[in-house]
Amino acid sequence: DTGVSQDPRHKITKRGQNVTFRCDPISEHNRLYWYRQTLGQGPEFLTYFQNEAQLEKSRLLSDRFSAERPKGSFSTLEIQRTEQGDSAMYLCASSPRDRRNTIYFGEGSWLTVV
Amino acid sequence: AQTVTQSQPEMSVQEAETVTLSCTYDTSESDYYLFWYKQPPSRQMILVIRQEAYKQQNATENRFSVNFQKAAKSFSLKISDSQLGDAAMYFCAYITSPAGGTSYGKLTFGQGTILTVHP
Repeated sequence: DTGVSQDPRHKITKRGQNVTFRCDPISEHNRLYWYRQTLGQGPEFLTYFQNEAQLEKSRLLSDRFSAERPKGSFSTLEIQRTEQGDSAMYLCASSPRDRRNTIYFGEGSWLTVV
Repeated sequence: AQTVTQSQPEMSVQEAETVTLSCTYDTSESDYYLFWYKQPPSRQMILVIRQEAYKQQNATENRFSVNFQKAAKSFSLKISDSQLGDAAMYFCAYITSPAGGTSYGKLTFGQGTILTVHP
């Protein structure tokens, strides 16, 4: 069990650029989640997948955000035309089929938009 | 909509002493789960303890225990024999039960409590 892995850990980008984050869940975890956390706040739910199906999306996920999990394994979160307000930590998490109420988090990907 | 409230932005405790972190929540569901997560400066969120709403017995994990008051919608965390490594941001979180359908999997977090442990 290698844990939830996220890449890159830190990203600095200029406003208007596109960025993509990758998440590798724990092996055989069928559910994968994306959360966003700003400084001093609790994480906020963005979206989640069961296998390759995206089952729910938050209103926080504007049309500039897109998440995919094409083969039901790793996932990507892309932000197009980044804005300064997108600066945050993007957390990925996963949970196993038989213990869906146990959610394991990765270390997060820090995004700074300048 | 479910909400989770942590009314203590910061708490401090002396090493080896006991501290209690407060959490209240609001939900119309009867079956759900509550969690306390710890987020140290390294930023990885770590599950500390979990409580199933249908269980009346309070959960305990070593030095960590909860006081779950379902009627009052209160879920406090007690840390006994505090250690320097307990210093972190603590988040209370809520999730609906598996019967909650497609909403299941969406953790709702409180604002967090920063815990400082003094040697």
